[in-house]
Amino acid sequence: GAGVSQSPSNKVTEKGKDVELRCDPISGHTALYWYRQSLGQGLEFLIYFQGNSAPDKSGLPSDRFSAERTGGSVSTLTIQRTQQEDSAVYLCASSLEGGGNTIYFGEGSWLTVV
Amino acid sequence: EDKVVQSPLSLVVHEGDTVTLNCSYEVTNFRSLLWYKQEKKAPTFLFMLTSSGIEKKSGRLSSILDKKELSSILNITATQTGDSAIYLCAVRVYGKLTFGQGTILTVHP
Repeated sequence: GAGVSQSPSNKVTEKGKDVELRCDPISGHTALYWYRQSLGQGLEFLIYFQGNSAPDKSGLPSDRFSAERTGGSVSTLTIQRTQQEDSAVYLCASSLEGGGNTIYFGEGSWLTVV
Repeated sequence: EDKVVQSPLSLVVHEGDTVTLNCSYEVTNFRSLLWYKQEKKAPTFLFMLTSSGIEKKSGRLSSILDKKELSSILNITATQTGDSAIYLCAVRVYGKLTFGQGTILTVHP
C-alpha cells in the first residue's frame, strides 16, 4: 500500500478482554515495528520484525502482549486480559531492510481500556 | 542501555522566531538519527542523518549531526503557527529506533 495502514483506528474495550491490533506495512518493507505511546509520554519500543521473525521483542511489557507476522507482511499485536494501564496509542512502522533506511509510521490504533 | 535526550522539553515562541531543538544520544552501534514531527497520532518523517557535518534542509527546517559530540540539532527559521507540534528525535541501532522524550513546540501568532 501507499502507507502503513493500521486498524482499528480506535478501540474501547472492557478490562479483562483480549484485543487484536492489525498493521499492514508499506509494500516491500521487510522490517516492521510496534511502538506504544501513552498520554503525554514518549514512544516506547515493543517489538521489531525482520521478515516473519522477531529478533528483538525486548520491549513487550508482559506475557499478556504478543505479536506475530505472517507472509512477511501483515502483523497482529495481541493484548490478552487488558488492563487500564494498557490504554495508549499503538503505533506501527515499517522500513526497507537495513539501518540506513527511513522508518515510516502508521496513524496508530488508540486503545482505551475501561 | 541506549539513551536519547532532547532539550528543551517545551518551548513557546512567537511567529517569525527561530528555534533550535537539541538531541543528544548514548547508544551502541549507531546507524542513523531521525527527526519526526508529531501533531496528532502518527509521527511524520522530517530528516534522517547518517554522516557528521552534512546539513539537511527542507524549506525552513534544517538539521545537522555531530557524531563527535553525539548530538544533533533541528533548526526552524521564521516559525509559523503550523509548526506547533512535538518534535521527536530517534536513534537507530540495528533494528529499532530509540526515541527521546520529545520537544513540545508552541508557536503563538
